Amino acid sequence: TQLLEQSPQFLSIQEGENLTVYCNSSSVFSSLQWYRQEPGEGPVLLVTVVTGGEVKKLKRLTFQFGDARKDSSLHITAAQPGDTGLYLCAGLANTNAGKSTFGDGTTLTVKP
Amino acid sequence: KAGVTQTPRYLIKTRGQQVTLSCSPISGHRSVSWYQQTPGQGLQFLFEYFSETQRNKGNFPGRFSGRQFSNSRSEMNVSTLELGDSALYLCASGESAGTSGGGGQFFGPGTRLTVL
Repeated sequence: TQLLEQSPQFLSIQEGENLTVYCNSSSVFSSLQWYRQEPGEGPVLLVTVVTGGEVKKLKRLTFQFGDARKDSSLHITAAQPGDTGLYLCAGLANTNAGKSTFGDGTTLTVKP
Repeated sequence: KAGVTQTPRYLIKTRGQQVTLSCSPISGHRSVSWYQQTPGQGLQFLFEYFSETQRNKGNFPGRFSGRQFSNSRSEMNVSTLELGDSALYLCASGESAGTSGGGGQFFGPGTRLTVL
């Protein structure tokens, strides 16, 4: 069974601060996704990383896939209240199957 | 393109009843996955359908079943409902994970099921 552990579970910061969320596993994934979910809605795909060591930037968000494709991180620069939400990482073991393993999520609160 | 749609958005049932949830994927997507989300267990994979065939199945009892139609729309059914089945049921669609840039899925808003 593949597991993804996210840390921290909860994070409360002030507007303008930086933060990093981690997603770790002992298993290798063919790709890894990051999602953001708001209450009462489904997760929204932020990014997919596929290559070990890959770094992707989405405005103030920077995503990194570990060299061994077992872990990933999400870094947010100058957080804003609009970044508040549940951040989920998900790993895909097989690129030919729509079965993702999700981490338990990081609940981020950015206070104005 | 229109996003993933799920109906109904909210549902209240009593123990022992059965329920059917519906999902319409993004046009052109052939993969539809279903997940159960609860505060205690997070997002748990139920099953995935691709071109009308169940391609993957999670660790849920046989009371949970699904199907996919030729137009890629999917339904999931839960029979003999239990209190613990109360959850947000999410549907996600994808093209084919191997050709969509790594497998990112697009989720619907979910169906909130409450079992009394």
